[in-house]
Amino acid sequence: AQSVTQPDIHITVSEGASLELRCNYSYGATPYLFWYVQSPGQGLQLLLKYFSGDTLVQGIKGFEAEFKRSQSSFNLRKPSVHWSDAAEYFCAVSGGGADGLTFGKGTHLIIQP
Amino acid sequence: SAVISQKPSRDICQRGTSLTIQCQVDSQVTMMFWYRQQPGQSLTLIATANQGSEATYESGFVIDKFPISRPNLTFSTLTVSNMSPEDSSIYLCSVDLPPGTDGYTFGSGTRLTVV
Repeated sequence: AQSVTQPDIHITVSEGASLELRCNYSYGATPYLFWYVQSPGQGLQLLLKYFSGDTLVQGIKGFEAEFKRSQSSFNLRKPSVHWSDAAEYFCAVSGGGADGLTFGKGTHLIIQP
Repeated sequence: SAVISQKPSRDICQRGTSLTIQCQVDSQVTMMFWYRQQPGQSLTLIATANQGSEATYESGFVIDKFPISRPNLTFSTLTVSNMSPEDSSIYLCSVDLPPGTDGYTFGSGTRLTVV
């Protein structure tokens, strides 16, 4: 069965500092990988996705993620965070098609002024 | 990208009653998915709905508790039956778009409180 591990439940970062959120997955074949963001009281917004090809993917809001097959990882990065980035971040995996998404438990990002 | 409308956006229901949540998509999609997000938790897939066939439920979810309809390629409903306070959650509808597009898109969710 597929699974996603986000080892950091909470992360606190100073505004303007760099950010890396970790995500490890378990999946038998080449997965489809996603990062979503959920702000308080809001729905889920897709930040970026990896289907195939270039392992470094660019997303919205200045985020990027790198797929590393050898480490079964898909870590999310941003060079300089803004106060508006404070939110819950979810990593998810799917096999595509009729496969739904399997989500990690999420990482709560706190931005310090 | 697809636009998904979910209704109601929130509701407060008495225990023992049922609530039907509607999900409308602005384009035809093959698969529709229903998720539950319990308070402070991540999202868990309830079931997958393919038009013209019975929904496929994930482990821990049963049709009697969460019946799903998928009458056409743009619409689906999820019913939460015989509700208890433990069913208080956000329920989200999602669709699968072809790779190379936006992937999985989500509705804004239905926030259900059972009292």
